[in-house]
Amino acid sequence: TQLLEQSPQFLSIQEGENLTVYCNSSSVFSSLQWYRQEPGEGPVLLVTVVTGGEVKKLKRLTFQFGDARKDSSLHITAAQPGDTGLYLCAGALRLAGNTPLVFGKGTRLSVIA
Amino acid sequence: GAVVSQHPSWVICKSGTSVKIECRSLDFQATTMFWYRQFPKQSLMLMATSNEGSKATYEQGVEKDKFLINHASLTLSTLTVTSAHPEDSSFYICSARDPRYSSYNSPLHFGNGTRLTVT
Repeated sequence: TQLLEQSPQFLSIQEGENLTVYCNSSSVFSSLQWYRQEPGEGPVLLVTVVTGGEVKKLKRLTFQFGDARKDSSLHITAAQPGDTGLYLCAGALRLAGNTPLVFGKGTRLSVIA
Repeated sequence: GAVVSQHPSWVICKSGTSVKIECRSLDFQATTMFWYRQFPKQSLMLMATSNEGSKATYEQGVEKDKFLINHASLTLSTLTVTSAHPEDSSFYICSARDPRYSSYNSPLHFGNGTRLTVT
């Protein structure tokens, strides 16, 4: 079973358009993180959200954590070709430093110039 | 910042041989490292948690005798794929948290992965 459901799986848009990626679960997460992965490389952290209802902005990216800490969204404004990549949400279920992250299936974004 | 180094970045081996992948934390000590596997166009699946000085914890469905993990020092964990078969071909990625910021909220630092191809 997939603990974190991510949608859409694939997204192809034109430069300048806006988009939203969703990450949903039936489980409550102590925190959720968003990563971006380029082909042949490891994921790189974009943001961590901890508090229910929290909103964080990173330039044109806006991240939101649901009030119940079961879901999160990533919104990109005015997408650019450089935003192309695999976006992964990941969560920690347990409150310990040695807790691994569980990952969603990812959203493969392609921004066409 | 914290860096995790993985070696080799790619390897091609024949079916039946063993392959060792190294994961090093370069500027911090990691008592725990995590090994993930990623098949093409799929997400990361946790294989095992590597614990320094003790046995690794394997996820359900991962054969511990096939994927040998050794975490002999605070900066090095190794994953050995024994008697590799073509279905073991995948992208293997290790990760660790910097203990200076160690909590469930702190991010994982990932190596750049190892692409294993078994022919």
